[in-house]
Amino acid sequence: EAGVTQFPSHSVIEKGQTVTLRCDPISGHDNLYWYRRVMGKEIKFLLHFVKESKQDESGMPNNRFLAERTGGTYSTLKVQPAELEDSGVYFCASSQRMTGSEAFFGQGTRLTVV
Amino acid sequence: DQQVKQNSPSLSVQEGRISILNCDYTNSMFDYFLWYKKYPAEGPTFLISISSIKDKNEDGRFTVFLNKSAKHLSLHIVPSQPGDSAVYFCAASFTGGGNKLTFGTGTQLKVEL
Repeated sequence: EAGVTQFPSHSVIEKGQTVTLRCDPISGHDNLYWYRRVMGKEIKFLLHFVKESKQDESGMPNNRFLAERTGGTYSTLKVQPAELEDSGVYFCASSQRMTGSEAFFGQGTRLTVV
Repeated sequence: DQQVKQNSPSLSVQEGRISILNCDYTNSMFDYFLWYKKYPAEGPTFLISISSIKDKNEDGRFTVFLNKSAKHLSLHIVPSQPGDSAVYFCAASFTGGGNKLTFGTGTQLKVEL
């Protein structure tokens, strides 16, 4: 069974440009999460989808970040326009249940804004 | 406001010995705790978890202990192996929180030959 897949693995963009990250969750997992790790610090929650609906977007830093999950399958996270502080590793995770269960993580997308 | 804390950024142990990684939390609503292991350039990999109704959970060489009154949990690895060298993250969630994980900053474990 395929795990969580993220694309691209690395992205280097200039400040002010737009970048779109993609996540394909484990098949059958209704719950999809985005997290971010900045400067080697803790991994921080960004948002949670249940199927195609945003369940919780309390961790989204600002309105330059837009997440979508059309059709309840893969998800995209767009940053527009990118700022220097957006640099970090963006992780996607998925889980079967919405409580008391482990989430499975993708390998992450390392975003560098220069 | 760090709700999950891992106060030791690094830990070094000899192969075959016990590794003990510690984690403290402040939010009393947390009722499910997990440990993830992370290698460089990879995503976190689930290791072991424990519900707040238990105080111990064991899986092979890995045991997690939970002390609710102290809001403390620990991960024991016995015996430690060189392949265990990685960053270990403690994470917590609560019922009704949508399985949203709150992570600690991680502890770099190095198992030396």
